Amino acid sequence: AQKITQTQPGMFVQEKEAVTLDCTYDTSDPSYGLFWYKQPSSGEMIFLIYQGSYDQQNATEGRYSLNFQKARKSANLVISASQLGDSAMYFCAMRGFEMDSSYKLIFGSGTRLLVRP
Amino acid sequence: DAGITQSPRHKVTETGTPVTLRCHQTENHRYMYWYRQDPGHGLRLIHYSYGVKDTDKGEVSDGYSVSRSKTEDFLLTLESATSSQTSVYFCAISDGWVSTDTQYFGPGTRLTVL
Repeated sequence: AQKITQTQPGMFVQEKEAVTLDCTYDTSDPSYGLFWYKQPSSGEMIFLIYQGSYDQQNATEGRYSLNFQKARKSANLVISASQLGDSAMYFCAMRGFEMDSSYKLIFGSGTRLLVRP
Repeated sequence: DAGITQSPRHKVTETGTPVTLRCHQTENHRYMYWYRQDPGHGLRLIHYSYGVKDTDKGEVSDGYSVSRSKTEDFLLTLESATSSQTSVYFCAISDGWVSTDTQYFGPGTRLTVL
């Protein structure tokens, strides 16, 4: 069965510093996709970044990058130059390639990030 | 932003009453999903649809039914609401079903069952 683990319930970071949010996963699928979503206090789920299991390079999207270590089954989100608006809940999610598992996202329990001025 | 709306955005109801939540998209995406979000659980899939009139169960489908009569609308029904169904409900859409296809979420509906 697929599983996502986020071991940091909450984190603080100083404004303008970088922060890493941890995500480990477990799957028997040979191919899969990993996603990060941001949920601000207003409640919406905002897609941030995607990493495919066969991608050779780590994904980057602006200030977001994904530190993908396939052998360790980790897909940590790195936010550079933190801003006050980055304060939110962050969810790691996984989706399989196989027909019977690819229809859904499996989510972790999330990490609440607070950016200090 | 993906064109996804949910209605109502907030609802308070009583145990035993039927409730229908609506998800509407303007993206013409084939796949639509209903998730619920509870503290400590992230989001969990309730039901999904892979086309008009084509739906299937997710991991927490008990007590819920869905219908999709048009590409743009996906309805979630609680036939007889219970307090355990108090939650935030999110609709999502995607253009495809493979793992590279991103799911985009609606704004959510906060449901309280008293």
